Amino acid sequence: DGGITQSPKYLFRKEGQNVTLSCEQNLNHDAMYWYRQDPGQGLRLIYYSQIVNDFQKGDIAEGYSVSREKKESFPLTVTSAQKNPTAFYLCASSEDQGAVAPLHFGNGTRLTVT
Amino acid sequence: AQSVAQPEDQVNVAEGNPLTVKCTYSVSGNPYLFWYVQYPNRGLQFLLKYITGDNLVKGSYGFEAEFNKSQTSFHLKKPSALVSDSALYFCAVRDGRGNNRLAFGKGNQVVVIP
Repeated sequence: DGGITQSPKYLFRKEGQNVTLSCEQNLNHDAMYWYRQDPGQGLRLIYYSQIVNDFQKGDIAEGYSVSREKKESFPLTVTSAQKNPTAFYLCASSEDQGAVAPLHFGNGTRLTVT
Repeated sequence: AQSVAQPEDQVNVAEGNPLTVKCTYSVSGNPYLFWYVQYPNRGLQFLLKYITGDNLVKGSYGFEAEFNKSQTSFHLKKPSALVSDSALYFCAVRDGRGNNRLAFGKGNQVVVIP
């Protein structure tokens, strides 16, 4: 089945540690996205990539980093600089770089930092 | 910048009754509008979209939405709600002038009472 795989489903880290969330897609989509979801705040865009080896900051990029070395992979690193990293993180992809294609989402990674 | 408002935090409806989830939007150009549904601890699933054409859009699982340009609204509707429709619903908008960012509303929790 085609889709987006996020791993792990749950992740626990100590404060001050960097952590990398995995996102892999086999949909052959060009565009990929990372969102953060907090209760009552909807989804906020962290980073997005429209093509391999290129990515742009979203609305809340501070404390995060990404890479896009392969079309199917878009890992997100939550660094120790992110002040409030505990959240539900969602990866998504879309088949075009324009505006009309819907996003396909993974099932998310719930990160807890203590 | 584009934005979405979902004015109600929670919508309660009895099983079998009509369900409406409200959404209003703000964009500079023509709106591309989307509805997504999220079940607990899962990613978002695409329900339907309006890009152009007929103002009444039909989507998955019996849902439909009506685009109203004068009221800048895109309310989601279902004629007869099921208990399994209980979930979090998100409205989203993209600016049709080429901005690739999708702005999400905060989401509406729908509770269908048996």
